[in-house]
Amino acid sequence: QVRLVESGGGVVQPGGSLRLSCEGSGFTFSNYGMHWVRQAPGKGLEWVAFIWYDGRKIYYADSVKGRFTISRDNSKNMLYLQMNSLRPEDTAFFYCAKISDYGDYPAHDWGQGTLVTVSS
Amino acid sequence: QSVLTQPPSASGTPGQRVTISCSGSNSNIASNYVYWYQQLPGTAPKVLIYRNSQRPSGVPDRFSGSKSGTSASLAISGLRSDDETDYYCASWDDSLGGLVFGGGTKLTVL
Repeated sequence: QVRLVESGGGVVQPGGSLRLSCEGSGFTFSNYGMHWVRQAPGKGLEWVAFIWYDGRKIYYADSVKGRFTISRDNSKNMLYLQMNSLRPEDTAFFYCAKISDYGDYPAHDWGQGTLVTVSS
Repeated sequence: QSVLTQPPSASGTPGQRVTISCSGSNSNIASNYVYWYQQLPGTAPKVLIYRNSQRPSGVPDRFSGSKSGTSASLAISGLRSDDETDYYCASWDDSLGGLVFGGGTKLTVL
């Protein structure tokens, strides 16, 4: 079955950087677009970024544009999120998610999440 | 302020039918599919409804989704105590070029 496992979360100081990883298994990773979605503690879901199955198209939320970079390595079944210039308001659980078998943009299957805390 | 508008809370008694609304615009709900997610405390969201009204295998038929114009709804019939949790709607927005979510609805089973 589909499995998505995020890693790389932790505590970082404001202005710092962190790279999140997401390993996919149980499906043909290179066939699916992938999302990063975050959720601040006690708050709602906020979409962060999306990358096409082949990496040719990428979309970002305005709140992270210019600071975060989504990428993927299909040879390793890996999705990444490079986060620079981190701010306290970036503190959140970060989830990776794959789209459905139909190719619709919304997230269908989700990982368990990794917590990023931006604090001095 | 979320692009999609959901009521922050909803409630019902066991066995009752409740609906949760999700209001958007021409650039999202009206022109793209709506998904609904259920998020239990301390866990990742799980897709409940995809493509407006389709249920993944394993999701009980007590859950149903519909869409009309710029709005969508999630209906839960035969309400159970373990339905008490958070629900989110989502759709792609062509103008923003991104996935947009509702603010979430906390369902309470009285």
